Amino acid sequence: AQRVTQPEKLLSVFKGAPVELKCNYSYSGSPELFWYVQYSRQRLQLLLRHISRESIKGFTADLNKGETSFHLKKPFAQEEDSAMYYCALKAGGFKTIFGAGTRLFVKA
Amino acid sequence: NAGVTQTPKFQVLKTGQSMTLQCAQDMNHEYMSWYRQDPGMGLRLIHYSVGAGITDQGEVPNGYNVSRSTTEDFPLRLLSAAPSQTSVYFCASKPPGTDNGYTFGSGTRLTVV
Repeated sequence: AQRVTQPEKLLSVFKGAPVELKCNYSYSGSPELFWYVQYSRQRLQLLLRHISRESIKGFTADLNKGETSFHLKKPFAQEEDSAMYYCALKAGGFKTIFGAGTRLFVKA
Repeated sequence: NAGVTQTPKFQVLKTGQSMTLQCAQDMNHEYMSWYRQDPGMGLRLIHYSVGAGITDQGEVPNGYNVSRSTTEDFPLRLLSAAPSQTSVYFCASKPPGTDNGYTFGSGTRLTVV
């Protein structure tokens, strides 16, 4: 079955602390994974793609096929990082499946 | 470019009413999708289209119809609204390619009473 699991609904950290948003996937093929972010009163937007191996706004995510994970990490959280984060899996063909999302709250 | 435009932004329907949520994009994207966003469930795929004249069902298609007569437009029709369809609906589009993410609309908040 194709599935994306984000085990934490809410993650609260202090400003300057490291943050890791967890994402696990289930997919029999070769996965293409993404992280999307939705800031308050803004549209959902693409944050980063695993295939690009990029760092956006200080965030990185590494695909671990052995653990079927694609966790999003940032070494020093900022207040402006507070948002809803969705992990997404391109599950073959043209379907993209999203996880339930994790709300990140960065406290001053 | 306006990107992905959804109308209306808010709508209240009575049970049994029908309506169409509009979605238009001006980026010449081939792929378009409709998602619904519910608390604790993330975004679930309703229907998607890979080009004009081609549509397919997603995870939760029941109670919804779509059509794709042009590249630009991808309307979502609720045939007979039910309270379970109360949700926020997002339309999204993307160009072809393996690592191109979606561009999302601003959403339509629908309440069925």
